[in-house]
Amino acid sequence: NAGVTQTPKFQVLKTGQSMTLQCAQDMNHNSMYWYRQDPGMGLRLIYYSASEGTTDKGEVPNGYNVSRLNKREFSLRLESAAPSQTSVYFCASSESRPNQPQHFGDGTRLSIL
Amino acid sequence: LAKTTQPISMDSYEGQEVNITCSHNNIATNDYITWYQQFPSQGPRFIIQGYKTKVTNEVASLFIPADRKSSTLSLPRVSLSDTAVYYCLALMDTGRRALTFGSGTRLQVQP
Repeated sequence: NAGVTQTPKFQVLKTGQSMTLQCAQDMNHNSMYWYRQDPGMGLRLIYYSASEGTTDKGEVPNGYNVSRLNKREFSLRLESAAPSQTSVYFCASSESRPNQPQHFGDGTRLSIL
Repeated sequence: LAKTTQPISMDSYEGQEVNITCSHNNIATNDYITWYQQFPSQGPRFIIQGYKTKVTNEVASLFIPADRKSSTLSLPRVSLSDTAVYYCLALMDTGRRALTFGSGTRLQVQP
């Protein structure tokens, strides 16, 4: 099983450029999430989608937009990238039943110059 | 949100048992305690989850006292490959799940 697949794995952008990070899961999960992880720190939730057609802000949503394209795919967009958005971005998915563990992709390493 | 507190780092040697304690004083009635493991350049991986008493799987054991204000992840006979960051979370039992990962515990296993 592929689990959670993120593309691209690495990306370098210039300040002001736009970028969409892609995420797809093949586990038929209803819930999907986007996190960022800065060096030496834990993960912080950017946006999540409890089900297809719904999205909600997490802890650090400013500067980002998301689209739940269908049940499998959840994309994260940076409209005008800033150096402060340099980070590793993780996508995750889970079943929507209470207290279900999340399954993570291996991340997209994004550098903004 | 149920905030969790855990040690920043721990050191151990191969073959030893490692216990990582997490405190969650304001845990809610419906929260489960969940532990994840993260290797460098990888996403976190689910290890174990429990509500109370003791849970054991092929990887670890989780001990939760009756008051549920803390929990202890126990890794038996660690090896070098157990070197990773371990995160403790208290999962909210709601449809609008706001999850908080702290800084985790960086476990270094030496030969």
